[in-house]
Amino acid sequence: GENVEQHPSTLSVQEGDSAVIKCTYSDSASNYFPWYKQELGKRPQLIIDIRSNVGEKKDQRIAVTLNKTAKHFSLHITETQPEDSAVYFCAARQAGTALIFGKGTTLSVSS
Amino acid sequence: GAVVSQHPSWVICKSGTSVKIECRSLDFQATTMFWYRQFPKQSLMLMATSNEGSKATYEQGVEKDKFLINHASLTLSTLTVTSAHPEDSSFYICSARISGDGGYTFGSGTRLTVV
Repeated sequence: GENVEQHPSTLSVQEGDSAVIKCTYSDSASNYFPWYKQELGKRPQLIIDIRSNVGEKKDQRIAVTLNKTAKHFSLHITETQPEDSAVYFCAARQAGTALIFGKGTTLSVSS
Repeated sequence: GAVVSQHPSWVICKSGTSVKIECRSLDFQATTMFWYRQFPKQSLMLMATSNEGSKATYEQGVEKDKFLINHASLTLSTLTVTSAHPEDSSFYICSARISGDGGYTFGSGTRLTVV
């Protein structure tokens, strides 16, 4: 089955800096890669996703890149703000199956 | 659109009792529901996949006799934690695929505390 590795587990940045979180996946058949932000006790909130036919996707301060050959994808947050502080999860999925999540990254943005 | 309503949001039960968690798809038909468990400061771990009208598929290490999943209709899937013990205390959350490869929608989660 799919296995998703996520790094780093914690990340501290200053407000205005960029933050990068990286994930690798094991199953080359996976074709959908979302990123979620989760607040304590709440459901995961989708912030951006990418499909295997695309190499990069951007939405304002957030971008995701995908390297299918290397089987890794990354989340990039630019101009970080204190409200970006949260736990972020990457996930991967084969067609028709469940999302498999990485272990999460706790991002702290200090002002 | 594509909302999954999950109840209860929190429950406290005594050891040895059973607890049922419900997930209803409100505005779409969820032929498949995924159930996850999340311990504090950990990731969402897939427990099982339920398909409407058939038996659930459990992930390795998940006891099917302890975590009973029923998906009797296209809009309702339930997870029953039987003979609950303190180590079953966790955050349980359901998820369904949105048709047309629109991603996934999640229930709001259930915080289970077994005392």
